[in-house]
Amino acid sequence: QKEVEQNSGPLSVPEGAIASLNCTYSDRGSQSFFWYRQYSGKSPELIMFIYSNGDKEDGRFTAQLNKASQYVSLLIRDSQPSDSATYLCAPHAAGNKLTFGGGTRVLVKP
Amino acid sequence: DTGVSQDPRHKITKRGQNVTFRCDPISEHNRLYWYRQTLGQGPEFLTYFQNEAQLEKSRLLSDRFSAERPKGSFSTLEIQRTEQGDSAMYLCASSPTGLWEQYFGPGTRLTVT
Repeated sequence: QKEVEQNSGPLSVPEGAIASLNCTYSDRGSQSFFWYRQYSGKSPELIMFIYSNGDKEDGRFTAQLNKASQYVSLLIRDSQPSDSATYLCAPHAAGNKLTFGGGTRVLVKP
Repeated sequence: DTGVSQDPRHKITKRGQNVTFRCDPISEHNRLYWYRQTLGQGPEFLTYFQNEAQLEKSRLLSDRFSAERPKGSFSTLEIQRTEQGDSAMYLCASSPTGLWEQYFGPGTRLTVT
C-alpha cells in the first residue's frame, strides 16, 4: 500500500463546476495536510493546508479532513481553465519531510 | 521576500560527470529541503537541513549524492558520477521555524545523456 494515494486522473470538469479531489494516507500519525498545485513544467505551489478535522475554506478552495478515515479532500468551486493543473496531496507526520502522492491531474474545459 | 531561488534552472550533462546545484531559501527560513521529481510522480524527499545541520537523509539517496548548507543560508546538492537514472527535476523548498508548510523554488531540471 502506498503511503499517499490519489487518483491520477485526468479529472475532467466543465468550467464553473466543482472539482472534487480525494487523497487517502496510511500514516495515522499524520497531523498536518497540505495541498499543492503544480502546472506542467513548474514547481509545486502551496494552495491549502489543514490541521483539524472538518472543513477549511479559502476562496474557491475547500479542504476537508477526516483523520478517523485517513482521508483528505480538496474541492475547487467555480472551476476555471486556469485551475487545470496537477494537485498534490502531502500529509506531514513525524520527522520533517512531506510525503507526496502522485497527484491528480485536473482539466477544466471551457 | 523574493522566494526560493535555484541555480541553474537547466543542466545537461554527460553520464559520469559531476554536477552541483544551488538553492537559496526564503530569507530567515531555517529549514531547507531537497526533493527529486520524475515525470508523472510526486516529489520524493532527499534530505533536510535545519540551519546548517543535515538532520535527515532519505535511505534512497545513494552515496553519490551529497548536500551541504555550510552557513545555514544557501545549500548545494552535488551528484557525482551521474547516471541516466538521475535525470529528474531537483526541487528545493524552505519553511520557517515552527511551521510545516514548505515553499518550493522553481527547480533545476537535470538531463543526463
